[in-house]
Amino acid sequence: GAVVSQHPSWVICKSGTSVKIECRSLDFQATTMFWYRQFPKQSLMLMATSNEGSKATYEQGVEKDKFLINHASLTLSTLTVTSAHPEDSSFYICSAIPPGYGYTFGSGTRLTVV
Amino acid sequence: QQQVKQSPQSLIVQKGGISIINCAYENTAFDYFPWYQQFPGKGPALLIAIRPDVSEKKEGRFTISFNKSAKQFSLHIMDSQPGDSATYFCAAFSLGYQKVTFGIGTKLQVIP
Repeated sequence: GAVVSQHPSWVICKSGTSVKIECRSLDFQATTMFWYRQFPKQSLMLMATSNEGSKATYEQGVEKDKFLINHASLTLSTLTVTSAHPEDSSFYICSAIPPGYGYTFGSGTRLTVV
Repeated sequence: QQQVKQSPQSLIVQKGGISIINCAYENTAFDYFPWYQQFPGKGPALLIAIRPDVSEKKEGRFTISFNKSAKQFSLHIMDSQPGDSATYFCAAFSLGYQKVTFGIGTKLQVIP
């Protein structure tokens, strides 16, 4: 089946540094990918829609300069959390829509900022 | 505005029992209704999905019931097992719009 691969699965970084999370579509091309954030015991919150070859579309209230999204190829989207702070600690999940498979999520990245 | 309302938020079921989770939606433009299962520290995994042109879909122990006129759908887990203990999210999706709206989630615990 179609797989959305996300890396790393967890990362710890120091406050003020930047962290990059990768989301790859395996065996299919994804012109659109989605980035979510999930707080403990809560539902998924859509942060932005990543569009291959163009700017990402951010949801209201999401800081574009804080969460940089790049979708430079049909199989890779990256989310960079810039100047990370402890309040950015969260579970970040990407997703894509493989043809014929419906909405498919990556395995998620647990970010802890210390 | 919560476009997909999910209940209950937590559920405890004995092994072998039936787990039932309900969702209601508001936007009639939604045309795809998936359920996701999420284990701690993992991304959600698609469990089963239904389109509004059918009233029921069954895959193994999992069944979706769909009531288009009431704008409600539910997940039934038959013969619930401890391995089913997870958080379940209902979702509604417009295939043309390509954005998913999630319910708040239901934490299911199946006790032996």
